[in-house]
Amino acid sequence: AQSVAQPEDQVNVAEGNPLTVKCTYSVSGNPYLFWYVQYPNRGLQFLLKYITGDNLVKGSYGFEAEFNKSQTSFHLKKPSALVSDSALYFCAVRDTGFQKLVFGTGTRLLVSP
Amino acid sequence: EAGVTQFPSHSVIEKGQTVTLRCDPISGHDNLYWYRRVMGKEIKFLLHFVKESKQDESGMPNNRFLAERTGGTYSTLKVQPAELEDSGVYFCASSPFGAGNTEAFFGQGTRLTVV
Repeated sequence: AQSVAQPEDQVNVAEGNPLTVKCTYSVSGNPYLFWYVQYPNRGLQFLLKYITGDNLVKGSYGFEAEFNKSQTSFHLKKPSALVSDSALYFCAVRDTGFQKLVFGTGTRLLVSP
Repeated sequence: EAGVTQFPSHSVIEKGQTVTLRCDPISGHDNLYWYRRVMGKEIKFLLHFVKESKQDESGMPNNRFLAERTGGTYSTLKVQPAELEDSGVYFCASSPFGAGNTEAFFGQGTRLTVV
């Protein structure tokens, strides 16, 4: 069965510092991996995805994620955090042959000024 | 281009009542999904339509939930009768047909509170 783990309920970082939001996954086939963000009172917005190819994926708002097959991880990163990055971040996986997404529990990112 | 639209944004109902949620997907998207997030937990899959057909309804919690997508356009999710544990945020998403490697586009969600 597919699963996603986001081990941190909350990540705190100071503005200007690098940030990492962790995600590990488990699938039986090749994974399609996604990051979504939910800002307050808004829906889920797509950030980036890994399908195949380069392990480092670049996405919206300066975010990037590194696919690591041996560690089954897909951590979200940004070199310099902004206060406006404060939101709820969800990692998701789609197994090949399936359409539905399996989400993690979400990580709240709090960037302080 | 309009995104995925969900109505209502909030709904508060009493236990035992009926509620119907609506989702308008992005025009031309054959895939339509319903998901639910119960407070503090993961977002869980409910079901998947391809056009008007139910492709996967393995996530539907019980027979109090009924989803329809007449004509393959908008979809409704009815909860009848509602129970306290049905409270949560219901998300709808859509994507083009056959695009397994394409991201799904989500609506803003409907926050359902059953009291």
